[in-house]
Amino acid sequence: GENVEQHPSTLSVQEGDSAVIKCTYSDSASNYFPWYKQELGKGPQLIIDIRSNVGEKKDQRIAVTLNKTAKHFSLHITETQPEDSAVYFCAASPNDYKLSFGAGTTVTVRA
Amino acid sequence: DVKVTQSSRYLVKRTGEKVFLECVQDMDHENMFWYRQDPGLGLRLIYFSYDVKMKEKGDIPEGYSVSREKKERFSLILESASTNQTSMYLCASSFREQFFGPGTRLTVL
Repeated sequence: GENVEQHPSTLSVQEGDSAVIKCTYSDSASNYFPWYKQELGKGPQLIIDIRSNVGEKKDQRIAVTLNKTAKHFSLHITETQPEDSAVYFCAASPNDYKLSFGAGTTVTVRA
Repeated sequence: DVKVTQSSRYLVKRTGEKVFLECVQDMDHENMFWYRQDPGLGLRLIYFSYDVKMKEKGDIPEGYSVSREKKERFSLILESASTNQTSMYLCASSFREQFFGPGTRLTVL
């Protein structure tokens, strides 16, 4: 099955700086790569996703890049704000429903 | 506003007890999922269901079973709870994007 590795496990950034989280996957059949944000006491929430027919996608301060050849994808958060503090999960899937998740990255934005 | 609700936020049970975790979605989604979340391991799929009365094993089904008698409701059953099943349990439903409930933190003593 699919194996997703996520790094780093924790990330501390100064407010206003950028944060980058990287994931690698093993199954070349994977073609859907969502990113989830989990705030304290809540379930994960989709923040951005990318499919294998594109290399980059942006949504305001958040961007995701995908390198299918190297089997890795990354989340970039620019101009970080305190409300970006959360746990972030990457995932990969060969379809839209059976997701394999990374172990998560705890992001702390220091004021 | 989409909604996935789980029957309990916190649950404490004893070893050997039968435990029911219930999940309800109001989005008329075909697909529903049960995950467990443990520190350093991310979310691991236990079971999922793509239609009423249909189910498929995920990556860690051992010790669990599920029931989906109605489209909006998906139940996770621990037939005989054990201490290694102490975890956060998350339910999700999807048409494409997965929407998650708030989770149930289960402690088995």
